[in-house]
Amino acid sequence: SAVISQKPSRDICQRGTSLTIQCQVDSQVTMMFWYRQQPGQSLTLIATANQGSEATYESGFVIDKFPISRPNLTFSTLTVSNMSPEDSSIYLCSVDSSIGAETQYFGPGTRLLVL
Amino acid sequence: SQQGEEDPQALSIQEGENATMNCSYKTSINNLQWYRQNSGRGLVHLILIRSNEREKHSGRLRVTLDTSKKSSSLLITASRAADTASYFCATGNTGTASKLTFGTGTRLQVTL
Repeated sequence: SAVISQKPSRDICQRGTSLTIQCQVDSQVTMMFWYRQQPGQSLTLIATANQGSEATYESGFVIDKFPISRPNLTFSTLTVSNMSPEDSSIYLCSVDSSIGAETQYFGPGTRLLVL
Repeated sequence: SQQGEEDPQALSIQEGENATMNCSYKTSINNLQWYRQNSGRGLVHLILIRSNEREKHSGRLRVTLDTSKKSSSLLITASRAADTASYFCATGNTGTASKLTFGTGTRLQVTL
């Protein structure tokens, strides 16, 4: 199974600032995903990070607010831009368990509080 | 919204009892999966059932799927305090095999 780490594990930020979250996998993977989990809620997919191409965003999420990088097959970043208190959430990255697989491995999450 | 609904939202049982949680979804699916999340941390995959399957077992877990009713249930038998967590169903939908749509989740509390 893939081991996924995220940095930072948590942060407290001021409104109007931006935070970049890193996701590192211990093996090469095809698909990487970014999710948001608002307090007490379920997970909502933000975007799929594709290596060598632009990320694919879900409805309601835009690149200007959540720019994503995927420079190689083991690493991705998600930036939360111009933050407001409504952005306070847990942000999780995940990867496909293998090429074409249907299950995902998840990172431990980044807990973000925006004041 | 494509998101599934789970019930109950919260469930409290004593150690040794069985826990049953239900999931309903809206679209055609390739598969349905259950994940566990401890204290707002990362999710752990528990079990996957395909759309052409009706029941699946893994250890103390039993999952059923009724595609005619667009619903699934997860049964945890002989629960333990360590089973305390939130449980989410997630569907892999037809045509978008890699993407998962998560349900609202059930918070399970197992007391000694």
